[in-house]
Amino acid sequence: DTGVSQNPRHKITKRGQNVTFRCDPISEHNRLYWYRQTLGQGPEFLTYFQNEAQLEKSRLLSDRFSAERPKGSFSTLEIQRTEQGDSAMYLCASSLAFGLAGNEQFFGPGTRLTVL
Amino acid sequence: DAKTTQPTSMDCAEGRAANLPCNHSTISGNEYVYWYRQIHSQGPQYIIHGLKNNETNEMASLIITEDRKSSTLILPHATLRDTAVYYCIVLGDQGGKLIFGQGTELSVKP
Repeated sequence: DTGVSQNPRHKITKRGQNVTFRCDPISEHNRLYWYRQTLGQGPEFLTYFQNEAQLEKSRLLSDRFSAERPKGSFSTLEIQRTEQGDSAMYLCASSLAFGLAGNEQFFGPGTRLTVL
Repeated sequence: DAKTTQPTSMDCAEGRAANLPCNHSTISGNEYVYWYRQIHSQGPQYIIHGLKNNETNEMASLIITEDRKSSTLILPHATLRDTAVYYCIVLGDQGGKLIFGQGTELSVKP
């Protein structure tokens, strides 16, 4: 399977614990995006990388959130001191960076986080 | 990025065409119209995109009005598996983040 993969698929944690999610993009894609989706809402943008560089971060991304993409391949999203409000589906997507053409993003299945 | 407006929900009979409208009256000249859908408990899936001309692929057709202020996604023969939330998104030619609205929840009924 050459699609976007995310691990783990589900994570249950207690409030105050740290969690880390991993995303493996499609191999030739140089852009990688993180989104968060709560029940009944559309996905909300968190941050994105082009190769290793983090090009944009949303104001939603508080100091407790950090994302990395150290070698321009896989990415991790860490949440420190989790809160119940962090419970959501965390989605990863990847794409090629085009100049004038499309920006088709391919999404992974998501990691569902539940904070107790 | 320009905002889009879509109906909250729509129903369609199985085998009939589903026509999903989207308004994007503030779209800029270099911005594309993208459509994604999200089937329950899955990640969003790209469907189609266009700039000013009508587009068709194996999944759907996209009709963009001449003034580019609105568009319609057409699923020519809807099946039960097309039941999903459909998102219309406007995006500049440099790509970047997708801004999802509430989308249209399409229910295809037998």
